[in-house]
Amino acid sequence: AQKVTQAQTEISVVEKEDVTLDCVYETRDTTYYLFWYKQPPSGELVFLIRRNSFDEQNEISGRYSWNFQKSTSSFNFTITASQVVDSAVYFCALRAVQGGGNKLTFGTGTQLKVEL
Amino acid sequence: GAGVSQSPSNKVTEKGKDVELRCDPISGHTALYWYRQSLGQGLEFLIYFQGNSAPDKSGLPSDRFSAERTGGSVSTLTIQRTQQEDSAVYLCASSLAGLAGGNQETQYFGPGTRLLVL
Repeated sequence: AQKVTQAQTEISVVEKEDVTLDCVYETRDTTYYLFWYKQPPSGELVFLIRRNSFDEQNEISGRYSWNFQKSTSSFNFTITASQVVDSAVYFCALRAVQGGGNKLTFGTGTQLKVEL
Repeated sequence: GAGVSQSPSNKVTEKGKDVELRCDPISGHTALYWYRQSLGQGLEFLIYFQGNSAPDKSGLPSDRFSAERTGGSVSTLTIQRTQQEDSAVYLCASSLAGLAGGNQETQYFGPGTRLLVL
């Protein structure tokens, strides 16, 4: 079975602070994909990034960066110089190719609040 | 181009009534998914369609739930004899392909239908 754990239920930061959202996953599959989605107050899930299990390169996109470490089964997400518009719920998700079919297994989400 | 669209945005119904939720995937996407988001259960997979293949119904919570996809495009999720525990946001997603791997299987979500069963 697949499992995604986002231990941080809610994080509050002041604008311009850096913030890291944690994600730990469990799967027996050797091939899998990891995702981050953002859910703003409007409710729509917005795709942010996809990572393959065989590609551990970290990635930076503007103020966003992702740290994928297979050794610790973690796929953490950092926002640099946070802004109020970053306030949302962030979900980490896993798709295990062999054992999970085509569905995404989601974590419970981390509510990020960025205040002035 | 247009994203995934869902209708209605909100639906209030009485316990025991049937409801139909509609999803229009991104044009050209062959794979379509339904998920449910509720306070108690988080985001749960319901059903997956890929082209003309038999759907993966492994996430449907009971036989009151069914879904169809006509012409490989629009999908309808039907809940019969609704119960209060069916109250949730129903999210539809589509991807360019299902099991192709790579960017083709990234799932893009619609805005959801908020269902309230009184």
